[in-house]
Amino acid sequence: GIQVEQSPPDLILQEGANSTLRCNFSDSVNNLQWFHQNPWGQLINLFYIPSGTKQNGRLSATTVATERYSLLYISSSQTTDSGVYFCAVGMNYGGATNKLIFGTGTLLAVQP
Amino acid sequence: GAGVSQSPSNKVTEKGKDVELRCDPISGHTALYWYRQSLGQGLEFLIYFQGNSAPDKSGLPSDRFSAERTGGSVSTLTIQRTQQEDSAVYLCASSFGPQHEQYFGPGTRLTVT
Repeated sequence: GIQVEQSPPDLILQEGANSTLRCNFSDSVNNLQWFHQNPWGQLINLFYIPSGTKQNGRLSATTVATERYSLLYISSSQTTDSGVYFCAVGMNYGGATNKLIFGTGTLLAVQP
Repeated sequence: GAGVSQSPSNKVTEKGKDVELRCDPISGHTALYWYRQSLGQGLEFLIYFQGNSAPDKSGLPSDRFSAERTGGSVSTLTIQRTQQEDSAVYLCASSFGPQHEQYFGPGTRLTVT
């Protein structure tokens, strides 16, 4: 099956710093989502980005589908950015299920 | 509008008991997914419903797990004869269709003692 790898596994930042999280996947996909899991366990949607570039405030994401990777940029980090960031990809199984395959996540800690 | 809701938020049960977990998807979403998150396995797909089509049960770990979706809306995940390895957070997600963005509920934390 498709493999999803995220790097780095852990990251510690000082407040105000910038960072880049990476997601590599092993096959063509038709869905890619980035999530932030907050300390209470809720998965918060950041981007739905099977290809191209999107920006939302201090966050932006780029997916290069032909090269099978996606990047999540966090600028001017804040302590509230702390948590686990997941990349998840989906494939169209013959027009049916588009289940998400999750990476193992990047644990981000932003220190004041 | 309202997001995906799940109940209960926490469930503690004794080994061997049956449990039912409930998911209310976002209104108008035809696709509904169950996932679970455990320390050893990460986030993994369990089952998928789309409209009136037969569900995709390919992720269910054993025949003790089953799910149904009534009236194309609410879904119930049932685990029979629970085992300690079933302890995990069970997450429900819904989307407008099978190739649309998925939105997750807050999860049900299941602890089997």
